[in-house]
Amino acid sequence: EAGVTQFPSHSVIEKGQTVTLRCDPISGHDNLYWYRRVMGKEIKFLLHFVKESKQDESGMPNNRFLAERTGGTYSTLKVQPAELEDSGVYFCASSLTGGSPLHFGNGTRLTVT
Amino acid sequence: GQQVMQIPQYQHVQEGEDFTTYCNSSTTLSNIQWYKQRPGGHPVFLIQLVKSGEVKKQKRLTFQFGEAKKNSSLHITATQTTDVGTYFCAAPSGAGSYQLTFGKGTKLSVIP
Repeated sequence: EAGVTQFPSHSVIEKGQTVTLRCDPISGHDNLYWYRRVMGKEIKFLLHFVKESKQDESGMPNNRFLAERTGGTYSTLKVQPAELEDSGVYFCASSLTGGSPLHFGNGTRLTVT
Repeated sequence: GQQVMQIPQYQHVQEGEDFTTYCNSSTTLSNIQWYKQRPGGHPVFLIQLVKSGEVKKQKRLTFQFGEAKKNSSLHITATQTTDVGTYFCAAPSGAGSYQLTFGKGTKLSVIP
């Protein structure tokens, strides 16, 4: 079974630019999550999809972040416009059911300069 | 919101020594999960503990969930260089929530 894949693995952008991260969950996993780890800090929840619906987006920091999961398959997370504090590693994870163990992707390391 | 405190933040051990990381919460947890992230890698699920006082073993790893379900520990016996990485505990953020709150992690270094 293919794991969770994320693209790109690294992204370096300037403040004010836009970046879109993509996540392909494990096939058949209805639950898709986005988490973020800022340097030296804990992994923090951003949001949770069940199929194409946003189940919980309480962790989204502000309206510069937009997540979509059209068709309930892959998901994108857009940051527009990016700010310096958005730098970090963005992890996508999927699970078969809500509450079951998470399968993480390799993450996208975002650097905003 | 809920916080999960994890200590220590760093641990350097000689190969063959034991290692323990601890997680504590001020609230009762429905369950606690443990993940391991190798350097340059992503978090990988190790185990989930659900029952009060539960103890589970995976080879040299022993996981415990406290009687009050407010604390947990991961103990590694006779560490090996392959144990290097950051170990995270994680727990649901609230009743019925699928959002996980992670501890800050314990970064383990093993000196050969």
